[in-house]
Amino acid sequence: GEDVEQSLFLSVREGDSSVINCTYTDSSSTYLYWYKQEPGAGLQLLTYIFSNMDMKQDQRLTVLLNKKDKHLSLRIADTQTGDSAIYFCAESMEGYSTLTFGKGTMLLVSP
Amino acid sequence: DARVTQTPRHKVTEMGQEVTMRCQPILGHNTVFWYRQTMMQGLELLAYFRNRAPLDDSGMPKDRFSAEMPDATLATLKIQPSEPRDSAVYFCASGLGPTDTQYFGPGTRLTVL
Repeated sequence: GEDVEQSLFLSVREGDSSVINCTYTDSSSTYLYWYKQEPGAGLQLLTYIFSNMDMKQDQRLTVLLNKKDKHLSLRIADTQTGDSAIYFCAESMEGYSTLTFGKGTMLLVSP
Repeated sequence: DARVTQTPRHKVTEMGQEVTMRCQPILGHNTVFWYRQTMMQGLELLAYFRNRAPLDDSGMPKDRFSAEMPDATLATLKIQPSEPRDSAVYFCASGLGPTDTQYFGPGTRLTVL
């Protein structure tokens, strides 16, 4: 069955880089997503990557995909206190709308 | 700035009462999802619709939950009767199609006493 796993917690200092990791089990995953959830809010799409790519960069965000190891990471450069939130990794398969989410990684950025 | 809206944002009710949550998807989106978020289970898909037709509601307890789309601008999730274990945040999301990204509403925080 499908399973997406993430570490639960990450703490960094402001200005450092953050790396949030995710592993998935379904090799037929086609799309992989990162969502951000701030306290009391819904999920906000940060970025996504197609499975035929191995890297995508968007300003301070870099997504790396290792299909062989089914490993996805999100790197946030120059992390700010406003980046403190829960980050969810999610996968979906081509032709299917449903997403399978990980349980989320809480990122805490200290000044 | 198009966004998914949900009402109410917060709901406190007593066990046994009926609860109705509403969602307005982004105009033009034809796929609507209902999720439930709890600390223990994380995000769980309850149901989803495409072009107002229910495609999958296998994540929903059928005896007490029901989801409908009376029209393209409104999706509802009803719990009758509600139980304390239903306490959670319920999110609605919408998208344009099978591979489109999902855009989430702010959620309805439900507390059943």
